[in-house]
Amino acid sequence: DIQMDQSPSSLSASVGDRVTISCRASQDIGTYLNWYQQKPGKAPNLLIYAASSLQSGVPSRFSGGGSGTDFTLTITSLQPEDFATYYCQQSYSSPRTFGQGTKVEIK
Amino acid sequence: EVQLVQSGAEVKQSGESLRISCKGSGYTFTNYWIAWVRQIPGKGLDWMGVIYPGDSDTTYSPSFQGQVTISADKSISTAYLQWSGLKASDSAIYYCARRHYTSGGSFFDYWGQGTLVTVSS
Repeated sequence: DIQMDQSPSSLSASVGDRVTISCRASQDIGTYLNWYQQKPGKAPNLLIYAASSLQSGVPSRFSGGGSGTDFTLTITSLQPEDFATYYCQQSYSSPRTFGQGTKVEIK
Repeated sequence: EVQLVQSGAEVKQSGESLRISCKGSGYTFTNYWIAWVRQIPGKGLDWMGVIYPGDSDTTYSPSFQGQVTISADKSISTAYLQWSGLKASDSAIYYCARRHYTSGGSFFDYWGQGTLVTVSS
């Protein structure tokens, strides 16, 4: 199985901050990398697919980058509704493993 | 509107069997893979397996192979996840999700609302 390692596991930030979350794969996965946002009590919601493609309806303050083994999710100007947990997921091979999650909390 | 609607919460005893469901609507159910994802409360997401309702082709994560069965009834646009002998460690929220393929890979674009399964020993 491909292991996905996110960092940090949690962070505190203020409204308006720029936030970057990292995701590292245990092997080269090209750009087969997705990002999801999950709020408490809700199902995950797709933000970014293929490492950098913004899902329809997702605000442009979210962006993704990277290839190979190292990826990032960036939120420019954090908004109150962005406080949530974020997961990366590889779609290179089965099982399509997820990272352990990064919880973004209010400072 | 694409929707995945899951069956309601379940409370079971250890050793009992269970089948939970995920009904798709608003799209051609047989054209998209459906995945099941486990989330132990307060923990992360675990990919369990996928099924293609068009021909019931199924792939399991090695972690869940032999522990659960994924199936589908395309005549009623419904996918299933079932256990033949529940354990307390199966207590979790289970999500179904539609897998969408592009040239850049696959991703889960629609999710069910989740089914909470509680198993008491």
